[in-house]
Amino acid sequence: QVQLVQSGAEVKKPGASVKVSCKASGYIFTSIAMHWVRQAPGQRLEWMGWINGGNGNPKYSQKFQGRVTITRDTSASTGYMELRGLKSEDTAVYYCARGRPGGHSDYWGQGTLVTVSS
Amino acid sequence: ERVMTQSPVTLSVSPGERVTLSCRASQSVSSNVAWYQQKPGQAPRLLISGASTRATGIPARFSGSGSGTEFTLTISSLQSEDFAVYYCQQYNDWPLTFGGGTKVEIK
Repeated sequence: QVQLVQSGAEVKKPGASVKVSCKASGYIFTSIAMHWVRQAPGQRLEWMGWINGGNGNPKYSQKFQGRVTITRDTSASTGYMELRGLKSEDTAVYYCARGRPGGHSDYWGQGTLVTVSS
Repeated sequence: ERVMTQSPVTLSVSPGERVTLSCRASQSVSSNVAWYQQKPGQAPRLLISGASTRATGIPARFSGSGSGTEFTLTISSLQSEDFAVYYCQQYNDWPLTFGGGTKVEIK
């Protein structure tokens, strides 16, 4: 069965970086895209970017361009999302999600809470 | 950026009732709309893609319709496990965007 298991909660100070991992199982990792979506407390879901399953090329939301890097380790079937220059507004639950043709997501990780506080 | 607007923000309903949730796109997104259900402390769960195709394992009481800028998610007979927040998402254009959600609560 398809599973996406994310790394644990993080607490960071403003200006720091965070890297969240997402280990995939139950499908061919290199054939399917992975999206990263975040949800601030009480807010809507916000798409951050994705990594193409076939060629590994990332694409980012302009809002996060320059601050986010999405990568993957195909040997470990694991995706990563690094966000730099953290601000208090980046406090949110970060999700990875398996991408389907077109762009929607059918399986999601359990979420990783990132808290940014001085 | 395609802005997705959902209405109403909150819906108070009784079990067994029929529920209709709306989602409007600021520009046409063809049929590239998905609906998700999210319960407190959980990740979103895919219900519908392509505006009207139920995801694997989703009960038949959930149905989606629409194209262009107007979309609807209907729950034919609300069950206790359906009380949750529902989000629409467009994936016609980058960046992918979500609506603000509709909370379906017990009346």
